[in-house]
Amino acid sequence: KAGVTQTPRYLIKTRGQQVTLSCSPISGHRSVSWYQQTPGQGLQFLFEYFSETQRNKGNFPGRFSGRQFSNSRSEMNVSTLELGDSALYLCASSLATRAYNEQFFGPGTRLTVL
Amino acid sequence: DAKTTQPPSMDCAEGRAANLPCNHSTISGNEYVYWYRQIHSQGPQYIIHGLKNNETNEMASLIITEDRKSSTLILPHATLRDTAVYYCIVIISGYALNFGKGTSLLVTP
Repeated sequence: KAGVTQTPRYLIKTRGQQVTLSCSPISGHRSVSWYQQTPGQGLQFLFEYFSETQRNKGNFPGRFSGRQFSNSRSEMNVSTLELGDSALYLCASSLATRAYNEQFFGPGTRLTVL
Repeated sequence: DAKTTQPPSMDCAEGRAANLPCNHSTISGNEYVYWYRQIHSQGPQYIIHGLKNNETNEMASLIITEDRKSSTLILPHATLRDTAVYYCIVIISGYALNFGKGTSLLVTP
C-alpha cells in the first residue's frame, strides 16, 4: 500500500506570495492533519480534516488555511508569505475509525521563503 | 492535554535495550500515552500507544506505571537505525498531536 505523498517536496517563494501544498493520504484514510516544523518551534499542529470538514485547529494565523476533497486528498494554503513561514510542512493521514488511531506521516514539503 | 517531561538526550550502545522515560504527572483518566519518533529529515513515525496496560508490538514495549504518572518506552535491542528523536505525547484523541521537544537518542556502535 502506498504511503502518504506530498507535493512538491521543495519550494522556494518570496515574501508576500502565496503557496499551496498538496497531500495524498493512504488509501482508505479519512483524516488528514498538517504540521509545521521549524528549528525554533519544533513540530506544531496546524489543522486536521475529516470528511471534508476541519475538525481540529492549532494556534496559527488565518493566513494558514486548508481544505479536504471528497477523495480525502488535502491541500493547505499559506497567503502573504513571511520569512518565518520557512519550514518543513508535514502531512499525516489516519484511518480515523477510533479516537486513538495512529497517524502516518509523509516526507514533508520543505518551503523556503526569501 | 497533559504536559510531558522527557530528558533532552540519551545514549545507548548498539544491541542493548534503550529505555526512554517520560513523566506525565498531570495525565487524566481518558488520556492516552503515544510514542512517535523522527529520524533526521523524515516525517515522524508512530511507535506505540497505551492507556493503562503495558503494550508491546514489533517495534517496542510501553510500560505505564500503575498511577499512570510516568511511562517508559523500551527498544529491546537498539540498532544504529534507532538513532532519532523520540516524542512522548499524552492526548485524548490521537489527532492534534503536541510533539514537544522529545528525547534525542544516539545509538553508538
